[in-house]
Amino acid sequence: EAGVVQSPRYKIIEKKQPVAFWCNPISGHNTLYWYLQNLGQGPELLIRYENEEAVDDSQLPKDRFSAERLKGVDSTLKIQPAELGDSAVYLCASSLDRQGQAFFGQGTRLTVV
Amino acid sequence: AQSVTQLDSHVSVSEGTPVLLRCNYSSSYSPSLFWYVQHPNKGLQLLLKYTSAATLVKGINGFEAEFKKSETSFHLTKPSAHMSDAAEYFCVVSARSNDYKLSFGAGTTVTVRA
Repeated sequence: EAGVVQSPRYKIIEKKQPVAFWCNPISGHNTLYWYLQNLGQGPELLIRYENEEAVDDSQLPKDRFSAERLKGVDSTLKIQPAELGDSAVYLCASSLDRQGQAFFGQGTRLTVV
Repeated sequence: AQSVTQLDSHVSVSEGTPVLLRCNYSSSYSPSLFWYVQHPNKGLQLLLKYTSAATLVKGINGFEAEFKKSETSFHLTKPSAHMSDAAEYFCVVSARSNDYKLSFGAGTTVTVRA
């Protein structure tokens, strides 16, 4: 069975440009997470979805970040415009439900120059 | 509120010697505790988890951890390190009182000397 798939694996953009990340969770997993991992730190939750509903987006910087999970399956995370401080790894994870084990994708490493 | 403190940012061991990664947690309710491993350019992989059953938890690749409520600790051990254990390790806490949100520690980098 395929795990959580993220693309692209790497992205380099200039500041003020937009960028989007895509995540395909494990089939049947209702809960989907986006995490931000800065260098040398643990992941921090940006947003959690239960099916297509964002149930926790308190840590998402809504002035520049947006996310969607249409049809409760795939999800995209967008940054517009990107800033130098957004350089980090963006991780997607999914679980059967909010209590279930979270399975992580390999992440997208973003570099803003 | 819940949080995790990983007491060592970096641990270096010789191959074949024991590994100890220390983790203390704070949680206002009965927590679930996890250890994840992250190899370079790989996704986070679950090593083991504690969810209020046996306090000594065995995981994959010979790792185990002991939940000690009196010490609010969940230290990870392995009796004999292998070169392939070189990676970043994260201690994670979750609780119903925090809507099962995962809170990660800052991570411990393990290097294994030949």
